[in-house]
This record gives sequence, C-alpha cells and structure tokens, in this order.
Amino acid sequence: DAGVIQSPRHEVTEMGQEVTLRCKPISGHNSLFWYRQTMMRGLELLIYFNNNVPIDDSGMPEDRFSAKMPNASFSTLKIQPSEPRDSAVYFCASSFFPGSYVSNQPQHFGDGTRLSIL
Amino acid sequence: AQTVTQSQPEMSVQEAETVTLSCTYDTSESDYYLFWYKQPPSRQMILVIRQEAYKQQNATENRFSVNFQKAAKSFSLKISDSQLGDAAMYFCAYLRDKLIFGTGTRLQVFP
Repeated sequence: DAGVIQSPRHEVTEMGQEVTLRCKPISGHNSLFWYRQTMMRGLELLIYFNNNVPIDDSGMPEDRFSAKMPNASFSTLKIQPSEPRDSAVYFCASSFFPGSYVSNQPQHFGDGTRLSIL
Repeated sequence: AQTVTQSQPEMSVQEAETVTLSCTYDTSESDYYLFWYKQPPSRQMILVIRQEAYKQQNATENRFSVNFQKAAKSFSLKISDSQLGDAAMYFCAYLRDKLIFGTGTRLQVFP
C-alpha cells in the first residue's frame, strides 16, 4: 500500500524565494496534517484539514505560510517569501477521522521534506 | 493546555537488554489516546504502539510494551531484547483533538 507521499524530499533555495511543499495522503484518509520539526522546537503542528477543510491553523507561524487542500488527494504548504529561520523538516501526515469527537486513528507520516533556506 | 514531557534526552542500552523510556503528560480530559513513534536516522515517523486511555490493560506489540498509569499520567515504553535497529529518536504523543508530541528521547543501542 502506498503511504503518504511528500515531494520534494530535499529543497535548497535562497531567502526571498517562494517554496511549495506537496503531499499526497493515503487513499481513504480524510484528515491531513502539516508538521514542522526543528532541533529547537521539536515537532509542531502547523495546520490540519478534515475533509479538505482547514480546521485549525493556529500553528501557522505567520502570514508568509499558507496551506491548501484542493481535493482529497493533494495538499500544498507554501512559504512566500522564505527566510533562513524557516529551515526545518516539514512532515505531512494523514489519518481517518470517523466523525466522533475523539479519534483513535493513528497518523501516518510521510518521509518529510528537508528545507534549507540560504 | 495539554503537554507531553519526556525527561530523558538520551538513553543507551546494550543489545539484548531491556530499556524503559519515560513519558508524562498533563491533561484534564478522561478520554484520549497515547502513542509512541520511532524516528530512525532516515527521519521516517513510524508508529510503534498505541494505548487507549479507557483501557486498563497495557498495550503490547512484540518486543514493545507500555506501562500506562492513568492516575499518574505516565506512559512509559519498554523495549525488550533490544536490537541495533531499535536505535532511533522515540517520541511520546498525546491525542485528543490534536496530536501533541514530547521532545523525544534518543536511544543508542550498543553491541
């Protein structure tokens, strides 16, 4: 079975450039999560979607970050303009949310995108 | 707000021995889920084991087991018969409406 697919695996770009990270969730999963991992702050939830609708974006650091989920099989996380402090590993994860208040379904993670902003 | 604390930044164990990784959490909820994830150098996040808060029985998955103490809000992971491939970062996580991770414990396994 195909897992969560993220692209690119590595991205190196200069500050000020636009960066787009992509994610394909597991087929049948209706929840999608974007995380950022740094040495200083560990794993932080940036935003999550349920049935393609953003539910909680309180973790998005600032207006330079935006995320979209145009359909059930694709999501993007965009940073514009990028800054060196955005350098991190960005993970996408998906799970199935049955609609009850508390979900017991584990999240399945992609391999992450290592982003370096020079 | 819910928090997850892993007080051991690093642990080491000899191959074939047993090691226990600690995790405590803070919540006012009674219904939630707890997970341990493993992150090897390849940086994949791999689910190791999960525990439902309403179950008193501790979860087990082969060589991995947990000691879940709900009143104490403690959720430790025991790895038995440690193998070199167990070397990784281990993250404890709490799930209610959002998954909240601890800061991780780096496990080294020596031959």
